[in-house]
Amino acid sequence: IAGITQAPTSQILAAGRRMTLRCTQDMRHNAMYWYRQDLGLGLRLIHYSNTAGTTGKGEVPDGYSVSRANTDDFPLTLASAVPSQTSVYFCASSLTANNEQFFGPGTRLTVL
Amino acid sequence: GQNIDQPTEMTATEGAIVQINCTYQTSGFNGLFWYQQHAGEAPTFLSYNVLDGLEEKGRFSTFLSRSKGYSYLLLKELQMKDSASYLCAVRDSNYQLIWGAGTKLIIKP
Repeated sequence: IAGITQAPTSQILAAGRRMTLRCTQDMRHNAMYWYRQDLGLGLRLIHYSNTAGTTGKGEVPDGYSVSRANTDDFPLTLASAVPSQTSVYFCASSLTANNEQFFGPGTRLTVL
Repeated sequence: GQNIDQPTEMTATEGAIVQINCTYQTSGFNGLFWYQQHAGEAPTFLSYNVLDGLEEKGRFSTFLSRSKGYSYLLLKELQMKDSASYLCAVRDSNYQLIWGAGTKLIIKP
């Protein structure tokens, strides 16, 4: 692995289903982030983690949960997907919260 | 509330110069970032300003005025590969990034 990866690349999901988006980085970055990007809107922060074992809520956390069991992985879970969660999801990481963020390739999620 | 404003779309000619403006109103200021995002791809870091003034990196320059809540990204000698969206983001008092919606730059031959 080089950098930051996300899986799946894209997914079509029925409303009400549970879904976990995966994010892994090998840069030993302390901070990780989940954003959603919707047409006409800026990136919006869902959840973040400044260091392994800690997480925090961003601007739009409702309907999403995260965990940070180790430095490398930061999965995002939709407990019961709804159509308004159709979006492109980007995971990002930074050495610390003070540094620039590096983004994964994104996951395009469609909830029907 | 927190707000980042940038033009939605701009068009420029190959070889020319273009300036993309960003104005912001945020709760606190801990730096301003510019990112480039090609269609269908992830944002990539371009620059970071925390002090007032101009910073130059090759064909790209960025300017910041904290008193005016204003920044711009200046791209010189435009190339077709510069066609992309340019995102302005401000790090607020909680050290979270607040993002503008991005400026789509179209380069014409």
